[in-house]
Amino acid sequence: EDKVVQSPLSLVVHEGDTVTLNCSYEVTNFRSLLWYKQEKKAPTFLFMLTSSGIEKKSGRLSSILDKKELFSILNITATQTGDSAVYLCAVAGGAGNNRKLIWGLGTSLAVNP
Amino acid sequence: NAGVTQTPKFRVLKTGQSMTLLCAQDMNHEYMYWYRQDPGMGLRLIHYSVGEGTTAKGEVPDGYNVSRLKKQNFLLGLESAAPSQTSVYFCASSYTGTYGYTFGSGTRLTVV
Repeated sequence: EDKVVQSPLSLVVHEGDTVTLNCSYEVTNFRSLLWYKQEKKAPTFLFMLTSSGIEKKSGRLSSILDKKELFSILNITATQTGDSAVYLCAVAGGAGNNRKLIWGLGTSLAVNP
Repeated sequence: NAGVTQTPKFRVLKTGQSMTLLCAQDMNHEYMYWYRQDPGMGLRLIHYSVGEGTTAKGEVPDGYNVSRLKKQNFLLGLESAAPSQTSVYFCASSYTGTYGYTFGSGTRLTVV
């Protein structure tokens, strides 16, 4: 069965800390891995990764994919209270020709001042 | 540029009542999805559509029906609401189906 597992499930840090969020997957016909940020409303897109070893970066956030070991990490440096959110990982793939994403349960990040 | 619009944003239903949630997108996306999100359960796919006039079941389709009569609209129906359907519902759309979704702002539904 296709699955995406995120760890940790929750994390509390202080402003200025660096955090690493993990996403491992077992998905047939892998196409891409995506990271989303969800605050009190709808998930918003952060990154899409398709190739191993190529870092995607946006400000203080960066992400990398390892297709051999089947995982991705999302790094946030110099965290701010505005980074508090649930971070979702999803993988595009799965059996058959279905165009769906397989979602992890998310990592809830709380950044305290 | 509206993106994906969901209506209503909030609703309270009594057990047994029916309702329809509307999702509209203006990005000419082929793929549309309905999810529910519950604490500890993550995003679960209810139904999806790969084009106008098509629908398919997701992980948790029981108790819901959908229709995609027009490319830009995807309707989710609850024929006889149950308390177990209390949830936050998200609609999403995608151009290719695998390269990122755009989400609506969600509908918080409470069934009492």
